[in-house]
Amino acid sequence: AQTVTQSQPEMSVQEAETVTLSCTYDTSESDYYLFWYKQPPSRQMILVIRQEAYKQQNATENRFSVNFQKAAKSFSLKISDSQLGDAAMYFCAYRSALLDNNAGNMLTFGGGTRLMVKP
Amino acid sequence: ETGVTQSPTHLIKTRGQQVTLRCSSQSGHNTVSWYQQALGQGPQFIFQYYREEENGRGNFPPRFSGLQFPNYSSELNVNALELDDSALYLCASSFTRGRNEQFFGPGTRLTVL
Repeated sequence: AQTVTQSQPEMSVQEAETVTLSCTYDTSESDYYLFWYKQPPSRQMILVIRQEAYKQQNATENRFSVNFQKAAKSFSLKISDSQLGDAAMYFCAYRSALLDNNAGNMLTFGGGTRLMVKP
Repeated sequence: ETGVTQSPTHLIKTRGQQVTLRCSSQSGHNTVSWYQQALGQGPQFIFQYYREEENGRGNFPPRFSGLQFPNYSSELNVNALELDDSALYLCASSFTRGRNEQFFGPGTRLTVL
């Protein structure tokens, strides 16, 4: 079974600064997807960025980028020019690329990192 | 385009009761997944429905059951409620089971007393 670990329960960043959230995972599969989701206090989970394991290039979405290290099974999220609206819980998630298994396309989530942004 | 909606927003039940939570998938999506998120934890996969059939299941007992209707909306039913069932229940929809993104609803907060 796959596991996802987020070792930072809380992180704090000054507005306009850069912060990196850590995530490690364990899997025996070679093809999979990794995601970062944001969950504001309003509770609705929003996809921030995704990475396909077969792609060596790190994904980037505006101020959000990842550092994907497949051999180390590490998938960190970098938020540049942090804004007050970035304050939320951030979850790292894993999904197998295999469809014909008993778990459908389930997401396996880490425990989350609470990001606080200081004005 | 309407996003994923869930009802009710909040629910309070007592131990031993039964509860039904509802989810309307995003327009055009035929796959619905349900997750349980205990306070301070990441969501845990309960099960997934694809074209009205259960397509995958996490480590949850049989008293957690579901349905998907022809319009791809879905219900999560929990029988014999336990105190540990208190959580935020999230529904996510996607188009087919594949690599497409899952879109989450706002969740239903269930409290079991």
